[in-house]
Amino acid sequence: GAVVSQHPSRVICKSGTSVKIECRSLDFQATTMFWYRQFPKQSLMLMATSNEGSKATYEQGVEKDKFLINHASLTLSTLTVTSAHPEDSSFYICSARGQSTWNEQFFGPGTRLTVL
Amino acid sequence: AQSVTQLDSQVPVFEEAPVELRCNYSSSVSVYLFWYVQYPNQGLQLLLKYLSGSTLVKGINGFEAEFNKSQTSFHLRKPSVHISDTAEYFCAVSRYNTDKLIFGTGTRLQVFP
Repeated sequence: GAVVSQHPSRVICKSGTSVKIECRSLDFQATTMFWYRQFPKQSLMLMATSNEGSKATYEQGVEKDKFLINHASLTLSTLTVTSAHPEDSSFYICSARGQSTWNEQFFGPGTRLTVL
Repeated sequence: AQSVTQLDSQVPVFEEAPVELRCNYSSSVSVYLFWYVQYPNQGLQLLLKYLSGSTLVKGINGFEAEFNKSQTSFHLRKPSVHISDTAEYFCAVSRYNTDKLIFGTGTRLQVFP
């Protein structure tokens, strides 16, 4: 099946710093990538949708200047949490969809962000 | 707007017993329905999906789900669970022909020996 990786799997940073999370589709071309946020014991909340070569579409309530998303190639999307604060601590999960799998998203293993 | 309700936050069950994880949705338009499983510190893996056609959908690992339009439900079942089925299970819905997935709050299935 289609494989999506994320890097890093865990990151701890100081408040005020920026953190970049990578999401890669390893064996297919991802025309669309999604970024989710999952709080402990809660569900996944969609943050934004990005199409390769286009600006990301953010969900209501998600600050686009805070969570910068880049989808520069068909295999890579990045999420940068700028000026991170403790309330940004969460589990961030990406998913990817290819042209031939329009109704299925393949999920990455997630990145645990802890902001001190 | 669509929403998903998973009424059971936790379901404890003994090994080899049957299990049902409940999922109800609300939507004013046609939807696609999904069940995902999440093992600790991992991403989500698709168990099964309903797009159209037969209302009984069979998935991986012996799971199946039945779409009931009149009751707006998509309950997940397995006739005999294993210890390895211990995980978090998420029901999700997407509006017909769109990408956006709306997830339920998840059900923690705990299988005991």
